[in-house]
Amino acid sequence: SAVISQKPSRDICQRGTSLTIQCQVDSQVTMMFWYRQQPGQSLTLIATANQGSEATYESGFVIDKFPISRPNLTFSTLTVSNMSPEDSSIYLCSVARGTDQPQHFGDGTRLSIL
Amino acid sequence: QKEVEQDPGPLSVPEGAIVSLNCTYSNSAFQYFMWYRQYSRKGPELLMYTYSSGNKEDGRFTAQVDKSSKYISLFIRDSQPSDSATYLCAMSEGSNYQLIWGAGTKLIIKP
Repeated sequence: SAVISQKPSRDICQRGTSLTIQCQVDSQVTMMFWYRQQPGQSLTLIATANQGSEATYESGFVIDKFPISRPNLTFSTLTVSNMSPEDSSIYLCSVARGTDQPQHFGDGTRLSIL
Repeated sequence: QKEVEQDPGPLSVPEGAIVSLNCTYSNSAFQYFMWYRQYSRKGPELLMYTYSSGNKEDGRFTAQVDKSSKYISLFIRDSQPSDSATYLCAMSEGSNYQLIWGAGTKLIIKP
């Protein structure tokens, strides 16, 4: 399966600031996704990152708060904007080689907001 | 009622035991079924990926899907302490559809 690298692995940020999380894959993939996971909880899909077009956001998530870029088939970024303590969570990138292939995950970014 | 139900545990068993992990679901349109293993401070790791009904075996792991009962299972034979992790089930209607996740079951294998 693909090797997925997420940066940073963890960060502590101040309220009101923004953080950009990077997801790099070692081979081209069709699908890239961004999830949020509270400690001890299951996963919530934030959006599907589309190459060359705007991301597709799930209910409850908006582009102004979570802008996403996907400039090519191996790289995507998620920005968490104007952060508040409620944004403290684990953010995970996942990829799928094709639309009929399962998703594989990076190790996540652990974000704490003070 | 949630679309996918999974007992969060923890489930504690002795080393060497056969472990049975289960999920039930309500949407009869689900066709793709997955089991992921997640260690602490790591991302989910795909263990099993099955389409429609039936069994699939990979080493010590066996996945079963019973669409008539809307029930999926993951069996772990000869369980090891290294199997201690959270196991998440996930499913979808089709290849382009959003994954629906279970809550995850925390498994503890006692040496």
